[in-house]
Amino acid sequence: GENVGLHLPTLSVQEGDNSIINCAYSNSASDYFIWYKQESGKGPQFIIDIRSNMDKRQGQRVTVLLNKTVKHLSLQIAATQPGDSAVYFCAEPSYSGAGSYQLTFGKGTKLSVIP
Amino acid sequence: SQTIHQWPATLVQPVGSPLSLECTVEGTSNPNLYWYRQAAGRGLQLLFYSVGIGQISSEVPQNLSASRPQDRQFILSSKKLLLSDSGFYLCAWSFRESSYEQYFGPGTRLTVT
Repeated sequence: GENVGLHLPTLSVQEGDNSIINCAYSNSASDYFIWYKQESGKGPQFIIDIRSNMDKRQGQRVTVLLNKTVKHLSLQIAATQPGDSAVYFCAEPSYSGAGSYQLTFGKGTKLSVIP
Repeated sequence: SQTIHQWPATLVQPVGSPLSLECTVEGTSNPNLYWYRQAAGRGLQLLFYSVGIGQISSEVPQNLSASRPQDRQFILSSKKLLLSDSGFYLCAWSFRESSYEQYFGPGTRLTVT
């Protein structure tokens, strides 16, 4: 299948600084991406999504940027807080038939916030 | 609002023993349901998904099976566990109309000894 992967496996950020987590994809036909946050021992939590007809989407303290030219997307977290420490995954849905989509996850980036 | 439950939260089982993990969803009807496995330090791998009662699709051939006896109940089973079955098992659900937005349960940590 198509590959959705991450550039950096770990990222350490000082509390209050901004964080940038990157993700590359290989399928130029991909039209939708999702970012998930997974805290230790818990299930992934939906953060934000973006469609391919957008370059940027903002949420609360988070912004996702999509560069279709280089097939790259990033998750930016403003004023990083200790509670942001987690593993972040980008995911790409693909239609798997019978009215259902399959999510293909990247390997994940572990964000550690230094107090 | 919708909630998803999984149990047990943790499980330690010997090789060769059977397995049954349960997932239930509340607050919605006719959801799509999914089972994922996450190995330590790795991403999520889709194992099974279901679009309705008794309808199971398998993504990865292996030692596991899934069943959906009720609309909001999804069960992951094995007759004989292998060491390689150890991992973090996650159940997820989505609305039938927007199945790319999936919501995950708290997970079950399975250790096969």
